[in-house]
Amino acid sequence: AQSVSQHNHHVILSEAASLELGCNYSYGGTVNLFWYVQYPGQHLQLLLKYFSGDPLVKGIKGFEAEFIKSKFSFNLRKPSVQWSDTAEYFCALNYGGATNKLIFGTGTLLAVQP
Amino acid sequence: DAGVTQSPTHLIKTRGQQVTLRCSPKSGHDTVSWYQQALGQGPQFIFQYYEEEERQRGNFPDRFSGHQFPNYSSELNVNALLLGDSALYLCASSFPSGGGTEAFFGQGTRLTVV
Repeated sequence: AQSVSQHNHHVILSEAASLELGCNYSYGGTVNLFWYVQYPGQHLQLLLKYFSGDPLVKGIKGFEAEFIKSKFSFNLRKPSVQWSDTAEYFCALNYGGATNKLIFGTGTLLAVQP
Repeated sequence: DAGVTQSPTHLIKTRGQQVTLRCSPKSGHDTVSWYQQALGQGPQFIFQYYEEEERQRGNFPDRFSGHQFPNYSSELNVNALLLGDSALYLCASSFPSGGGTEAFFGQGTRLTVV
């Protein structure tokens, strides 16, 4: 069965530190990959997405992610985090076809200390 | 432009009762999906509606049912509530229908079963 793994459940960083959140998936075919963010009290918002083409994708708020097909990975990065990046981050995939059913990882709670 | 709206925002029900949650998709969207997000977990796909039909279903019992109206809004019904149904229920809409599109999420309905 298709699945998404996020191995970092809680991450604590100081402002200006670099961030990398891991995401691995299991599915042998073509996938679309997403990172969503959920700020405290807010709805899930799309940070970035990969459908095809350049495996390095840039999203909002300075985030980027790299799709490495051989490693089944789609790690999220940001060179310098801010206190306002404190949120929960979810990696997700869908595999196209007639629906856009998303399969989510368990999420990573990021706390940025000022 | 209104995004995805869900009602109510919070709900407390007793075991064995039935509940109906409502969702209005983002303007122009024709596809509505429902997800259950238990505490500390990522959202889990319940089902998706398109053209007033259930198009795909996740691993949820028949106690979970839905409906989509001609204006694309949707309802999620849960019968015979269990304590384990306590969760945040998320609605997501998308357009055009298909796998390669972005889903927009509402803020969710927090259901507590006591």
